[in-house]
Amino acid sequence: KAGVTQTPRYLIKTRGQQVTLSCSPISGHRSVSWYQQTPGQGLQFLFEYFSETQRNKGNFPGRFSGRQFSNSRSEMNVSTLELGDSALYLCASSPQMGYEQYFGPGTRLTVT
Amino acid sequence: AQTVTQSQPEMSVQEAETVTLSCTYDTSENNYYLFWYKQPPSRQMILVIRQEAYKQQNATENRFSVNFQKAAKSFSLKISDSQLGDTAMYFCAFLNRNFNKFYFGSGTKLNVKP
Repeated sequence: KAGVTQTPRYLIKTRGQQVTLSCSPISGHRSVSWYQQTPGQGLQFLFEYFSETQRNKGNFPGRFSGRQFSNSRSEMNVSTLELGDSALYLCASSPQMGYEQYFGPGTRLTVT
Repeated sequence: AQTVTQSQPEMSVQEAETVTLSCTYDTSENNYYLFWYKQPPSRQMILVIRQEAYKQQNATENRFSVNFQKAAKSFSLKISDSQLGDTAMYFCAFLNRNFNKFYFGSGTKLNVKP
């Protein structure tokens, strides 16, 4: 099976812009989670989707949003980008909620 | 809320030797899993090993094994016969299965020296 894929792999944006990141889970996996990884804060949970519904949400401002499509693919959107949003954004999928997660390679976002 | 603590920010080990990475967690739940993930410099996070809390037997995957001490809330990872490819950040993770929430430790950077 193909692993979790994320596009794009690298992205450079300017403050104030918005960005959309995409994640395709492993075939058959229905749960998709998003994490922000920075050197100072480590891995921070953003949100989790299952069957097109957000099931869990972390402590991030409303500028961070996401959605999941009927084929389980997920997108994450960040509006009004700030310098502090520069990070590696990781997507992880699992077959069901409550099981191990498998991570994608991440999208490296740089905000200038 | 659950917390996961990895007290060793960085460790080094000689190739072919054994190293143990520490992890402690705090929870009042009984329905949980524990994991070790590896993140090599290429950034792809890889699942190394999984331990179900209800199992007393320690999980083993080839050269990787855990020492799961449930009462002490300790979950250490032992890497035997260390290889250069084991150089990576290692994250300990706790999954609360009642609420389906993952909690990650801050990571341990392991450097395997030739």
